[in-house]
Amino acid sequence: AQKVTQAQTEISVVEKEDVTLDCVYETRDTTYYLFWYKQPPSGELVFLIRRNSFDEQNEISGRYSWNFQKSTSSFNFTITASQVVDSAVYFCALHLLLSGAGSYQLTFGKGTKLSVIP
Amino acid sequence: GAVVSQHPSWVICKSGTSVKIECRSLDFQATTMFWYRQFPKQSLMLMATSNEGSKATYEQGVEKDKFLINHASLTLSTLTVTSAHPEDSSFYICSARRGQFGGEQFFGPGTRLTVL
Repeated sequence: AQKVTQAQTEISVVEKEDVTLDCVYETRDTTYYLFWYKQPPSGELVFLIRRNSFDEQNEISGRYSWNFQKSTSSFNFTITASQVVDSAVYFCALHLLLSGAGSYQLTFGKGTKLSVIP
Repeated sequence: GAVVSQHPSWVICKSGTSVKIECRSLDFQATTMFWYRQFPKQSLMLMATSNEGSKATYEQGVEKDKFLINHASLTLSTLTVTSAHPEDSSFYICSARRGQFGGEQFFGPGTRLTVL
């Protein structure tokens, strides 16, 4: 069975600090995708990144960076120089093909609530 | 990114009534849409997968007769909560996948349902 664990329920940082959100996943599949989404107080999920299981290159996008480590089944997300607008709940998600079912399912972690204090 | 809309954004209804929520992909065709439910301070729980032109696939524990899903076209899926009760009050979110496996899922803004 697939599972996504975000061990940090809530994190508070002071503005301009760096913060890393952890994500550990479990799956027996060799082909899968990992996602990060941001959910601000308004509720709408915002797509941040998608990474496939064959691409372990780390990625940087502005103040955001992602570290994918297949050896430890982790896909951690770092925000550099955090800002108040980064305050939101962040979800890590695993997307895989359910063998034999022919369906595609996105499994979410429980989310990490990030509060950036001015 | 692609745009997915949901209507209404919030609804308050009396217990026993039915409520329909629409999910539309505005600038792309989506053969597959998904319906999620999110309780306060919790994660998204997949309710069902909606495929255009066929019956929806419901997750274990989700009542098919209570949560009716219709995927009438490549840009529209509807969720009808029938005979709503206070315990159905929740935040309902739809998403539409662009492309096939591994394609990005774009989420609607969500619908907050309150059943009195």
